[in-house]
Amino acid sequence: GNSVTQMEGPVTLSEEAFLTINCTYTATGYPSLFWYVQYPGEGLQLLLKATKADDKGSNKGFEATYRKETTSFHLEKGSVQVSDSAVYFCAYMDSSYKLIFGSGTRLLVRP
Amino acid sequence: EAQVTQNPRYLITVTGKKLTVTCSQNMNHEYMSWYRQDPGLGLRQIYYSMNVEVTDKGDVPEGYKVSRKEKRNFPLILESPSPNQTSLYFCASSVRDRFTGELFFGEGSRLTVL
Repeated sequence: GNSVTQMEGPVTLSEEAFLTINCTYTATGYPSLFWYVQYPGEGLQLLLKATKADDKGSNKGFEATYRKETTSFHLEKGSVQVSDSAVYFCAYMDSSYKLIFGSGTRLLVRP
Repeated sequence: EAQVTQNPRYLITVTGKKLTVTCSQNMNHEYMSWYRQDPGLGLRQIYYSMNVEVTDKGDVPEGYKVSRKEKRNFPLILESPSPNQTSLYFCASSVRDRFTGELFFGEGSRLTVL
């Protein structure tokens, strides 16, 4: 069935390290893809999105590229900050206009 | 300020005692949805509504009811709560009239059923 698979966390990095959080999806067609971020004690916020193959979404130094051939949408950031500590959710929109979320990856950035 | 407001934010209740979690948005969004978040399972959709008086089941609707009498409000009702409904609940609305996957979330309601 349709699903989103994210790498298990927590991911622990030192400040200024390079971040990659892997995300792959199983879906028919070419769904729109999203990354949402949840800071402690808050609701989710849209971080970035991509709507077609080879699109690159970007925001706040984060990037993710829609890779049709590998059905992936990995999240990257060149230099993380302590304030980036949060839970990151990969998601796609299925053909019935529903968002399918991954299980989330917790990122902890240490000073 | 544009926002989705949920109440209560925290609630401890007992099995079988009916409760309602309210959700209100001030952005005139047509699309609204309820999710529950559980460790290791991510977010799962409970119910959604494309417009006033239109509601549909999500992936885990059992034990829940919703209503959409006004565009701004979308309450979640637990008629007879059970311990397996202990969870973190999020209400969300769409930033566009036609749902495109961009959701604006409330801050969450943590429910504990004893």
